[in-house]
Formats: sequence, structure tokens, C-alpha cells
Amino acid sequence: GAVVSQHPSRVICKSGTSVKIECRSLDFQATTMFWYRQFPKKSLMLMATSNEGSKATYEQGVEKDKFLINHASLTLSTLTVTSAHPEDSSFYICSARLGIAGFYNEQFFGPGTRLTVL
Amino acid sequence: GNSVTQMEGPVTLSEEAFLTINCTYTATGYPSLFWYVQYPGEGLQLLLKATKADDKGSNKGFEATYRKETTSFHLEKGSVQVSDSAVYFCALNTGNAGNMLTFGGGTRLMVKP
Repeated sequence: GAVVSQHPSRVICKSGTSVKIECRSLDFQATTMFWYRQFPKKSLMLMATSNEGSKATYEQGVEKDKFLINHASLTLSTLTVTSAHPEDSSFYICSARLGIAGFYNEQFFGPGTRLTVL
Repeated sequence: GNSVTQMEGPVTLSEEAFLTINCTYTATGYPSLFWYVQYPGEGLQLLLKATKADDKGSNKGFEATYRKETTSFHLEKGSVQVSDSAVYFCALNTGNAGNMLTFGGGTRLMVKP
């Protein structure tokens, strides 16, 4: 149980185009999903926290207009990288948290999406 | 604020060697502590966790004990295998700020046959 999927797993796009990444909780409802970015050989950097039915909360330094997050249902959140540039190339990972907020609630991670912008 | 510090890698070991990856933390409140593993090209998988002082998390031969007095959560395994080669992340959350995880920098483990 508690499986999170991401689609696509890998995407290559041209500079200036937009790319949408989907994150789905397959067998549970996730009121909160998190989006991370991971640079090569680096740790995960939290980009934003996405709550179902409300606007995402972005971390300092993350451009809201560039990284659009939509959490339209309890099982789906999307990250759209708008007008992508080569510096946006990275590994993007989402995670989903079960149900009601609580101290011990665990985050379940998706397999990641590798974005390459040419 | 919260922070997690891990030993820098890469750590290179021979098969069946003993593994220790150090992790120390600073946190407000009483954090839960986690070790995640990331295999090449994949997302993170929870390896083990501990939610209070003196708890020991264990899984797949890996162990870590929550040491409040030394604010540490070192990862150990008695005999590593080639298949353990991966990047290991220590993390914590305090249940505040939406249950956000704070990650350490990651430690790459390479096990040679």
C-alpha cells in the first residue's frame, strides 16, 4: 500500500516550452503533497507544499509563476514548469502524506521525473 | 531552525564490511527521525524510522538508534552487500509546518564485490 506514481519518468523538451509532471497517490487519499527538486549528487530541496483544493505554499526562492502547482483532487497533484530553460533541468520528486495531519504521518515518495531542457 | 548533518561520501566498502553512516541533527521540539534510501535513477524509499528517544529503527539488516543526548541517529549495518549501493538520506520532522521533512545532504555508499 501507499504507492505514489509520477508521470512521466523522463522528459526532454526544448527551451521555452512548458512541461507538466503528474504525481498520483494510487491507493490512498493525500490531502498534502510535496514537490522536491534534486540536483545531481545533492540532497532534496523542498519547492512547495500542495494542499488539496487550495493554493500551494512555496519555499523561499522558488518562483511561483514558473513552477505552477495544482492539487485538484485527493489523488493528483501536478507541477508545470513554464517556459523551461536549461537551468531547470533536474530531478523532480513528489511525495504524498496520508490523511489527517499528525506528528507521525509519513511521506511516501514517487519515483521521480528527470527533466532535461535543451 | 531544524537541520540535519550527514557524513560526506562517497563511502566505499567491500562486500560484508561493517557500515556506519553518521547523522546528527538540531531541532526544535521532539522530532521523528528517518533514514531514506535512493537507488540509482529512483525516488526515495523509507528505510527505517524512530519516533522517540532510545527507539531503534531497523529494516533489511540496517539499524539506527535515536540518541537524544547526542542528537544523533547513526545508520549501521553489520555486513553490506553490493545491492546496498545507493544514496542514504537522514531526515527529521517535528510535526510542525505541515509535517515537512528536513533532509541531510545524503551519503553515497558504494559496495564492491
